[in-house]
Amino acid sequence: GEDVEQSLFLSVREGDSSVINCTYTDSSSTYLYWYKQEPGAGLQLLTYIFSNMDMKQDQRLTVLLNKKDKHLSLRIADTQTGDSAIYFCAERYSGGYQKVTFGTGTKLQVIP
Amino acid sequence: EAGVAQSPRYKIIEKRQSVAFWCNPISGHATLYWYQQILGQGPKLLIQFQNNGVVDDSQLPKDRFSAERLKGVDSTLKIQPAKLEDSAVYLCASSLGAGGGTDTQYFGPGTRLTVL
Repeated sequence: GEDVEQSLFLSVREGDSSVINCTYTDSSSTYLYWYKQEPGAGLQLLTYIFSNMDMKQDQRLTVLLNKKDKHLSLRIADTQTGDSAIYFCAERYSGGYQKVTFGTGTKLQVIP
Repeated sequence: EAGVAQSPRYKIIEKRQSVAFWCNPISGHATLYWYQQILGQGPKLLIQFQNNGVVDDSQLPKDRFSAERLKGVDSTLKIQPAKLEDSAVYLCASSLGAGGGTDTQYFGPGTRLTVL
């Protein structure tokens, strides 16, 4: 089945690390993504990880993938007020037209 | 490089009326997507075009929704007649269409539809 779940809300203080979690159900997914959506804007790709990787680091962003548990996380180091947004995880399926399914989104609030 | 353009940005209509949205993808992008994003949810794919052909419209409510991309460039999405539950943001995205996980989708700002 195609189901991607996230917690709805996360609040952190500026300068702390944020960890946003995501679970998915399809073990045949090939790529997993993190997108950021600011108010009134479309989605912006932050980073992605191939399903045979455990970790990917890109500046302040660290993606961890636990394929056994179908768990994906995004860690943002030194969180800034500009990081306040909704974060979506998404998975791409290996079959058919490789459709991308998005999670429900986690709203990150950064407190100054 | 210009991004994905969408218009209008906002639209308010009454139920049973018709509405159309327009999308101009990034130049050279072969794949175009229309998503529906209901408040508090993630985007849901409605239809995916590869050039001017449809490759996936499995989640498009075809009794009321239609989309076309006649010349393989810009696209229109139409709803006729609209229902209250169609209130959402309609996002257009495009990608090069090379396939694989690195085929990044670039999103437009969306059209916010309110059906009264």
